Amino acid sequence: GAGVSQSPSNKVTEKGKDVELRCDPISGHTALYWYRQSLGQGLEFLIYFQGNSAPDKSGLPSDRFSAERTGGSVSTLTIQRTQQEDSAVYLCASGLALPNEQFFGPGTRLTVL
Amino acid sequence: KNEVEQSPQNLTAQEGEFITINCSYSVGISALHWLQQHPGGGIVSLFMLSSGKKKHGRLIATINIQEKHSSLHITASHPRDSAVYICAVVETSGSRLTFGEGTQLTVNP
Repeated sequence: GAGVSQSPSNKVTEKGKDVELRCDPISGHTALYWYRQSLGQGLEFLIYFQGNSAPDKSGLPSDRFSAERTGGSVSTLTIQRTQQEDSAVYLCASGLALPNEQFFGPGTRLTVL
Repeated sequence: KNEVEQSPQNLTAQEGEFITINCSYSVGISALHWLQQHPGGGIVSLFMLSSGKKKHGRLIATINIQEKHSSLHITASHPRDSAVYICAVVETSGSRLTFGEGTQLTVNP
């Protein structure tokens, strides 16, 4: 069956531009997570969606970051007015609610020039 | 101090060696995950543990809840095991994974 997919796989943008990153979770998975991995760093939690509950946004680093999940399926992570420090790999994962296993997408590599 | 600490940070082994990667955490947890990140960046879940021990092929994961410690063992290591191994915990009251910094394993032929 299809796994978690993310698009684009790579995104190069100029400082100050807005970007949208997309995640298609595995069908039937109620939980969806966004993580960030900066070069040489560990994984950092950004945001968590679980069913129809209000998302846990406590990991978002600034108000330039936002995410939505439409119809309990596809999610979009938006970064406004990108900065060079936003350059990282953005990973999406889906699963049933924690503590169950999460299935990771291939990530989107964002480079802000 | 990180809530989740792994050791060693880097590990180089010869093919066939027995490998141990350690993870210690400082918070109450409901589960602990071991993940594998390949050189291309893809992440695969290896184990989810809440107690005891699990085995899958050449991989064994153990957890001691009282000591707040988990180990990942690889028997008869192979160059294809070369990857970053990441420990992550689910806090008892939490809704997220908290990650260790990862252990870079290189297995030489």
